[in-house]
Amino acid sequence: GENVEQHPSTLSVQEGDSAVIKCTYSDSASNYFPWYKQELGKGPQLIIDIRSNVGEKKDQRIAVTLNKTAKHFSLHITETQPEDSAVYFCAASTSDNNDMRFGAGTRLTVKP
Amino acid sequence: DVKVTQSSRYLVKRTGEKVFLECVQDMDHENMFWYRQDPGLGLRLIYFSYDVKMKEKGDIPEGYSVSREKKERFSLILESASTNQTSMYLCASSSPGRNTEAFFGQGTRLTVV
Repeated sequence: GENVEQHPSTLSVQEGDSAVIKCTYSDSASNYFPWYKQELGKGPQLIIDIRSNVGEKKDQRIAVTLNKTAKHFSLHITETQPEDSAVYFCAASTSDNNDMRFGAGTRLTVKP
Repeated sequence: DVKVTQSSRYLVKRTGEKVFLECVQDMDHENMFWYRQDPGLGLRLIYFSYDVKMKEKGDIPEGYSVSREKKERFSLILESASTNQTSMYLCASSSPGRNTEAFFGQGTRLTVV
């Protein structure tokens, strides 16, 4: 089955700096790669996703890149703000089934 | 506004008890999932369901079972709770088709003593 690895496990940045979180996956059939943000006391919420037919997607300060050859994808947050502090999860799934596998999570802290 | 509701935020149960975790979604989603969240391990899939009365094992089904008698409700059952099942449990649902967003409940923090 699919195995997703995520790094780093914790990340601390100064407000205004950029943050990058990286994930690798094992199943070459995976073609959907969402990123979820989990704030304290809440369930994860989708913030951005990318499908295998594109290499990059951007939504305001958030961008995701995908390298299918190397089987890795990354989340980039620019101009970080304290409200970006949360746990971020990457995930991967195939089109044959809808069960999603998640990475271990990254705790991002943005210092004012 | 889409909603996935888990019946309890916090539960404390004794070892050996039978435990039911309930999840209800109001989005008419076909797919429902149970995950377990532990520090450093992320979200691990326990069971999922694509339709009423249908269930599939995830990566860590041992010690758990599920029930889906109605489309909107997906229950996770711990037949005989053990201390190593102390964890945060998250329910999610998604719409029919492939590669679609999963909506999560707020989670149930279960402590087995």
